[in-house]
Amino acid sequence: DTAVSQTPKYLVTQMGNDKSIKCEQNLGHDTMYWYKQDSKKFLKIMFSYNNKELIINETVPNRFSPKSPDKAHLNLHINSLELGDSAVYFCASSQGQGIYGYTFGSGTRLTVV
Amino acid sequence: DQQVKQNSPSLSVQEGRISILNCDYTNSMFDYFLWYKKYPAEGPTFLISISSIKDKNEDGRFTVFLNKSAKHLSLHIVPSQPGDSAVYFCAASAMNDYKLSFGAGTTVTVRA
Repeated sequence: DTAVSQTPKYLVTQMGNDKSIKCEQNLGHDTMYWYKQDSKKFLKIMFSYNNKELIINETVPNRFSPKSPDKAHLNLHINSLELGDSAVYFCASSQGQGIYGYTFGSGTRLTVV
Repeated sequence: DQQVKQNSPSLSVQEGRISILNCDYTNSMFDYFLWYKKYPAEGPTFLISISSIKDKNEDGRFTVFLNKSAKHLSLHIVPSQPGDSAVYFCAASAMNDYKLSFGAGTTVTVRA
């Protein structure tokens, strides 16, 4: 199946832990994104990579660090997790700019306890 | 600072009737608008889009209308079907920008 896949789908962890979320796309797209959907349901962009180069870096705590080993993968590492990090994190990809639309993964629900 | 706003968090409509979802934006640089549909535990999927050079785009049961002067767009679904029950997100982008700005979504429930 051609898709954007992210793992894990659910992640429950304690405050202070470090965790990673992985994302892979096999659509041949050149740009990948991380979005956060908070409790108010807004989808907010965090990061974007185009051909492994960071092109969008919104104001997020530096405990969040994206890594793109190649243009098909974009991982999100979070250090020292806090309660407020609990959210659904979506990975997405696009071929070109936003006007061409994104293909989203199914999301990772992160719960920090 | 939300540049895309969907002021109706929910909408309930009877099967067969029209669903109208509204979206307002504040950034005059936006020139492309998209609607996404989301089912529970899934990612948003693209539904329909419109460029700022048009005021209407139609795809089957879905039609998007754009009023640039009012910075307002709407999505019409007619006739509404039970499978249309989902969350609908409005999104906007400026030309040459990779970023999509999303609204908070409207939950549509189609009643039998």
